[in-house]
Amino acid sequence: EDQVTQSPEALRLQEGESSSLNCSYTVSGLRGLFWYRQDPGKGPEFLFTLYSAGEEKEKERLKATLTKKESFLHITAPKPEDSATYLCAVEGGGFKTIFGAGTRLFVKA
Amino acid sequence: DVKVTQSSRYLVKRTGEKVFLECVQDMDHENMFWYRQDPGLGLRLIYFSYDVKMKEKGDIPEGYSVSREKKERFSLILESASTNQTSMYLCASSLIGSDEQFFGPGTRLTVL
Repeated sequence: EDQVTQSPEALRLQEGESSSLNCSYTVSGLRGLFWYRQDPGKGPEFLFTLYSAGEEKEKERLKATLTKKESFLHITAPKPEDSATYLCAVEGGGFKTIFGAGTRLFVKA
Repeated sequence: DVKVTQSSRYLVKRTGEKVFLECVQDMDHENMFWYRQDPGLGLRLIYFSYDVKMKEKGDIPEGYSVSREKKERFSLILESASTNQTSMYLCASSLIGSDEQFFGPGTRLTVL
């Protein structure tokens, strides 16, 4: 059964304190792994797609990496405006997107 | 900018009522999706559609139906609302062949 597990559930950082969010997945025939950002009271907003192990994508202070079993979202020198819930999702051979429960990130000034 | 709108931000209904949730997108996307989001469970796919009048079951379709009479509009119907359908409902759309799904703001439904 396809599955996505995100850790930690919540992460509290000081402004400028770099860290990583983890997304472990089990899927038959990975077609893509996605990262979304969700602010309170809003729908998720697309960040990245990764297709194969070794691939990396960057956007401002965020960098996503992918291995055969997990993905990391690295946050470098975060700012308070980076506070949000970060969702990981995978699409497997069944062409359905499976989402993880998310990591809530809090960045304190 | 792609815009996905949902008919209500908050909705309160009684057990047994028929509930309609409407979603409209303005970018001519072929694909449309309905998810529910619950704490600790993430987003779960209820139904999706790749074309007008076409629908496919997602992972949790029981108790729900959908309608897509026009390309821009995808409706989610709760035939007889129950308390376990209290949740945040999110609609999304995407182009065929694109990875990026564009989400609406969500409807928080409470069934009493």
